Amino acid sequence: QVQLVQSGAEVKKPGASVKVSCETSGYTFTDYYLHWVRQAPGQGLEWLGRINPNGGGTNYAQKFQGRVTMTRDTSISTAYMELSRLRSDDTAVYYCASVSPIVTSLGSWGQGTLVTVSS
Amino acid sequence: EIVLAQSPDTLSLSPGERATLSCRASQSVSSSYLAWYQQKPGQAPRLLIYGASSRATGIPDRFSGSGSGTDFTLTISRLEPEDFAVYYCQQYNSSPWPIFTFGPGTKVDIK
Repeated sequence: QVQLVQSGAEVKKPGASVKVSCETSGYTFTDYYLHWVRQAPGQGLEWLGRINPNGGGTNYAQKFQGRVTMTRDTSISTAYMELSRLRSDDTAVYYCASVSPIVTSLGSWGQGTLVTVSS
Repeated sequence: EIVLAQSPDTLSLSPGERATLSCRASQSVSSSYLAWYQQKPGQAPRLLIYGASSRATGIPDRFSGSGSGTDFTLTISRLEPEDFAVYYCQQYNSSPWPIFTFGPGTKVDIK
């Protein structure tokens, strides 16, 4: 079955960077976009961007342009999201999502990675 | 950028009742580009509906989606205890660049 397994929780200081991984299995990694979505405590969902594992092309939300980098390693079916210049309001659960019945939705989700930014 | 508004913020209902959730877009959205998700506390969201009205794999038929243009609806015909959760609509827009946006969510809680 489709599985997206994310790396563990992180605690970072303001100004630092964080890199979250999303290891996939159960499907052909290069067949589907891989998205990153975050959720601040008690808040709604916010899309950061997506990567096309087939070729590595990316689309980032304008808000995160210049601060987010999405990469992938097709040899191990794993995607990465790096967010730099962290601020306290970047504290959130970060999700990866992929494998959708159509390209305009997010079908399968990882378990989430809590990133806490605190001095 | 297209903004999604959801109403009501909270819907208090009893098991067995019908739930009707609204999602309104600031500009017309292609029906193919509208999806609904369910999220329970401490869990990742789950895709319920894509293309405005198609149920995702494994989603019970008590969940249905409808609508077009700027007004979309998620209906739960008879609420089961496991349906009490937060529901988000989401749209995709490709112009001027690809972007996915979510509504603020509707919480369905037990009356």
